Amino acid sequence: DQQVKQNSPSLSVQEGRISILNCDYTNSMFDYFLWYKKYPAEGPTFLISISSIKDKNEDGRFTVFLNKSAKHLSLHIVPSQPGDSAVYFCAASGEGADGLTFGKGTHLIIQP
Amino acid sequence: DTGVSQNPRHKITKRGQNVTFRCDPISEHNRLYWYRQTLGQGPEFLTYFQNEAQLEKSRLLSDRFSAERPKGSFSTLEIQRTEQGDSAMYLCASSLAPGQGYEQYFGPGTRLTVT
Repeated sequence: DQQVKQNSPSLSVQEGRISILNCDYTNSMFDYFLWYKKYPAEGPTFLISISSIKDKNEDGRFTVFLNKSAKHLSLHIVPSQPGDSAVYFCAASGEGADGLTFGKGTHLIIQP
Repeated sequence: DTGVSQNPRHKITKRGQNVTFRCDPISEHNRLYWYRQTLGQGPEFLTYFQNEAQLEKSRLLSDRFSAERPKGSFSTLEIQRTEQGDSAMYLCASSLAPGQGYEQYFGPGTRLTVT
């Protein structure tokens, strides 16, 4: 069973608009959440993270929101740029395990 | 370039052969992780080291898989008697110890094709 779920396999957004990528988790022991971006033929690149003691973390154009009661997090990218086109993975850690648990990813396409 | 490096980038092997991959982490990172990624899936955790000690193994890591990090620097992942189901991208990541940051930084991966 998938403990981290990204229910949208793909998302298309116009350049300059806001991109919102969603992620749900089922394991209440997760206490740290991360977003990675991946281009084809490259390894995932770390974008932004959030601890379970916070509900928001911002870094430039990227903001991650965490709703613990709903077991939901989202990544906001504003404004979206063509270079943001990539696959975005949500990941979580906790419950004494140090390996990350990843979702299946969302392919973000920024339209000119 | 001080990022995580992996060699080789691609490996094609015949079923039943042994293969070995190498990972060089970011030099000041004492934790090193191995993941496997197949098409349409996110990376799946295999195992990790803190310095030279292997501290956790996933149930995905069958007996045919072995990983080492003999001097707490680079690591190798060996797959014995490869099977077609082993075809995947093998990713290495490194990080500082908890309390100093949980972010894991990934290398470019080694793509394994078993024919």
